Amino acid sequence: DAGITQSPRHKVTETGTPVTLRCHQTENHRYMYWYRQDPGHGLRLIHYSYGVKDTDKGEVSDGYSVSRSKTEDFLLTLESATSSQTSVYFCAIGTAQGGYTFGSGTRLTVV
Amino acid sequence: AQKITQTQPGMFVQEKEAVTLDCTYDTSDQSYGLFWYKQPSSGEMIFLIYQGSYDEQNATEGRYSLNFQKARKSANLVISASQLGDSAMYFCAMKGNAGNMLTFGGGTRLMVKP
Repeated sequence: DAGITQSPRHKVTETGTPVTLRCHQTENHRYMYWYRQDPGHGLRLIHYSYGVKDTDKGEVSDGYSVSRSKTEDFLLTLESATSSQTSVYFCAIGTAQGGYTFGSGTRLTVV
Repeated sequence: AQKITQTQPGMFVQEKEAVTLDCTYDTSDQSYGLFWYKQPSSGEMIFLIYQGSYDEQNATEGRYSLNFQKARKSANLVISASQLGDSAMYFCAMKGNAGNMLTFGGGTRLMVKP
């Protein structure tokens, strides 16, 4: 019954290559978010979207871009991957209670 | 700016005992919400409990309760009767008035001993 899916689940890429992570929701939520999780830092917001073509930066947006051309899809792009972007990436959608439902995460390794 | 602090990187608790995970927050917003999430070793983020800043009663959800002390800006999670399946990372998070964004603490790793 997952209303939010991320792809790929795992990816290994080389430094300097572009990478796109996809988040797909079936809940018709207006708000979507990309976070990265690193040990000791919890989850930090990269970018978020509050509607189609409406996006804004989060706390750690440098080196990342996003796009939202449809309500259901929110893409995160690393234009030129660096080793510091090795992380677990979570997509989330807002809920009526104000909390989030999270995707299963994407483990990205930049070598 | 909002900030969430979890001062316990790791904790042990004996099975069937209660445990308190600490969370303090800092915000200038008058209206805000506080959340706790559990992340087991499988990696998914599981919503546990929510407390609104104007809620007069402490939130409870089964074995989870939130000890909300507004004046101290603390929102500690209490897990009663710990089970082995409670071993996980626990994150405290807050949403204020600015947009719809959650700010997370660094997390506490809880390990339940049999």
